[in-house]
Amino acid sequence: KQEVTQIPAALSVPEGENLVLNCSFTDSAIYNLQWFRQDPGKGLTSLLLIQSSQREQTSGRLNASLDKSSGRSTLYIAASQPGDSATYLCAVNWTGGGNKLTFGTGTQLKVEL
Amino acid sequence: GAVVSQHPSRVICKSGTSVKIECRSLDFQATTMFWYRQFPKQSLMLMATSNEGSKATYEQGVEKDKFLINHASLTLSTLTVTSAHPEDSSFYICSARDWGGWYRGNEQFFGPGTRLTVL
Repeated sequence: KQEVTQIPAALSVPEGENLVLNCSFTDSAIYNLQWFRQDPGKGLTSLLLIQSSQREQTSGRLNASLDKSSGRSTLYIAASQPGDSATYLCAVNWTGGGNKLTFGTGTQLKVEL
Repeated sequence: GAVVSQHPSRVICKSGTSVKIECRSLDFQATTMFWYRQFPKQSLMLMATSNEGSKATYEQGVEKDKFLINHASLTLSTLTVTSAHPEDSSFYICSARDWGGWYRGNEQFFGPGTRLTVL
């Protein structure tokens, strides 16, 4: 079964700290992987999209990596800020899956002053 | 660019009534749209895939007669929750894929969501 898991479920860090969020997937046959941010009661904001042929993508203080062989992706957030507090979701678009996304369980991040 | 809207953003209805939610791609054409449901403290679960001009494809366990999907144009898909009950209360989110999506790596763009509360 194709599944996506995110650990930890919740994370609290002091402001300024660099942090890594983890995403694991059970099938290496992926087309691409997206990282999203969701604020409470809101929709999704796309952060980064990594194609299966890519190893990483960067946007500002965010860097996402992809290792298909180990079934892992990480989202690195540099110099965290209180405004980064949100739930972060990764989603996998499986090869031959009709572009349907399978979402991970999410990591709820709180950056404290 | 790549903006997706949903209407309404929030709806409260009585049990037994039907509710229609609209999903629009504002600046691109979407041959495919997806409908997700999210319960509190949980992740998004795909309900169905909506293809312009054809019948929607529903995920296992999703009642197609209860959740009616219509994708009549390249910019609009609607989800109608028929005979809604309190257990249908949830956050419904749509996403859209640009018809030229392979240029953009098949990225999906998400709407802001609709909060449905059934009394």
